[in-house]
Amino acid sequence: DAGITQSPRYKITETGRQVTLMCHQTWSHSYMFWYRQDLGHGLRLIYYSAAADITDKGEVPDGYVVSRSKTENFPLTLESATRSQTSVYFCASSLGLAEAFFGQGTRLTVV
Amino acid sequence: QKEVEQDPGPLSVPEGAIVSLNCTYSNSAFQYFMWYRQYSRKGPELLMYTYSSGNKEDGRFTAQVDKSSKYISLFIRDSQPSDSATYLCAMGGNNNDMRFGAGTRLTVKP
Repeated sequence: DAGITQSPRYKITETGRQVTLMCHQTWSHSYMFWYRQDLGHGLRLIYYSAAADITDKGEVPDGYVVSRSKTENFPLTLESATRSQTSVYFCASSLGLAEAFFGQGTRLTVV
Repeated sequence: QKEVEQDPGPLSVPEGAIVSLNCTYSNSAFQYFMWYRQYSRKGPELLMYTYSSGNKEDGRFTAQVDKSSKYISLFIRDSQPSDSATYLCAMGGNNNDMRFGAGTRLTVKP
């Protein structure tokens, strides 16, 4: 199906483990983004990418790593998960500067 | 001070009411402005976007931007129970680094 998909939808992991959240879009959008959403903070940008092999830090990048070897995929890795990284993570894509389209989110719990 | 301020509500209105949602911002570099709607346990979906000051209308929704006051609004006319959701304002500049408000939770009661 066309669109943007995230996997897994739910994940529970232990403190200190590495975990990767996947994001795949079928529109060939140039831009892709990772946000986290927490109560009281709204959506905060973690990393974004303007094209394959081009990534840049957002507002809250510490503890996260991204890569973009293909236009359609933009995985987010938590190198050593901490409880403060418990959150809902959203991936988004867009053609240009506006009109981002979001995935359904990954609800991550770090215990 | 946050770059984007949005009253989290919650806001509860009767069906048919006019709803006014607002955000203020501090960064003069913001050039484009958006409103997203987010239903519970879903991803945000784009409602409206605009690049300039003034009004933009789409059906029951009107987005208003006042760059001189750094203030944006979303008006919903003839509100429906199906409009019950969290509304997020968002804005960005040339670097494509969007900033979101915290979201306002709206409930429209039948």
